[in-house]
Amino acid sequence: NAGVTQTPKFRVLKTGQSMTLLCAQDMNHEYMYWYRQDPGMGLRLIHYSVGEGTTAKGEVPDGYNVSRLKKQNFLLGLESAAPSQTSVYFCASSYSRTEETQYFGPGTRLLVL
Amino acid sequence: GNSVTQMEGPVTLSEEAFLTINCTYTATGYPSLFWYVQYPGEGLQLLLKATKADDKGSNKGFEATYRKETTSFHLEKGSVQVSDSAVYFCALRTQGGSEKLVFGKGTKLTVNP
Repeated sequence: NAGVTQTPKFRVLKTGQSMTLLCAQDMNHEYMYWYRQDPGMGLRLIHYSVGEGTTAKGEVPDGYNVSRLKKQNFLLGLESAAPSQTSVYFCASSYSRTEETQYFGPGTRLLVL
Repeated sequence: GNSVTQMEGPVTLSEEAFLTINCTYTATGYPSLFWYVQYPGEGLQLLLKATKADDKGSNKGFEATYRKETTSFHLEKGSVQVSDSAVYFCALRTQGGSEKLVFGKGTKLTVNP
């Protein structure tokens, strides 16, 4: 099992450019999450999904969109990147509502100039 | 609202020293409590958890006890190793509805030989 994988590992964008971050899990998990990690801020939830075809807003959703077209994939999109979106992005997944442990990917480092 | 407060870091210790990282929380109901660890360049991994009052979570020599009366979940280890150098995150998940984790800001631990 690869667990949770994220692509790309690192990306540099110019302000206004768009990109999509891909998260994939091979554990048949229902729940998937996108977090951002900023120095001194801990992890903050951007969006999450409780199953294929569903998405919901987290704590800091503005400027991001997500899609969960397949159970194993959760995509995070930035339509018009801003320097404030420079961060490390982590994807996580968990099996079900009653299984509380979340499994994290290795992260994507994004720099917006 | 729900929140987690961790002791400010960074924490620097010598090998074999005793470690305590304080964590207190504010939550409605009876949350489950977690410690996650992030090694350099990696995603977060679950270290231990406790789901009800007076439960003790333990793993890899680390322990934390769920104290409802003091709303705390302090992380302890009797003898740290260089390999324990990482960032430690305390987190909570409320019962009965929310599938989301709320994280503290993280405490960076450096253990010197």
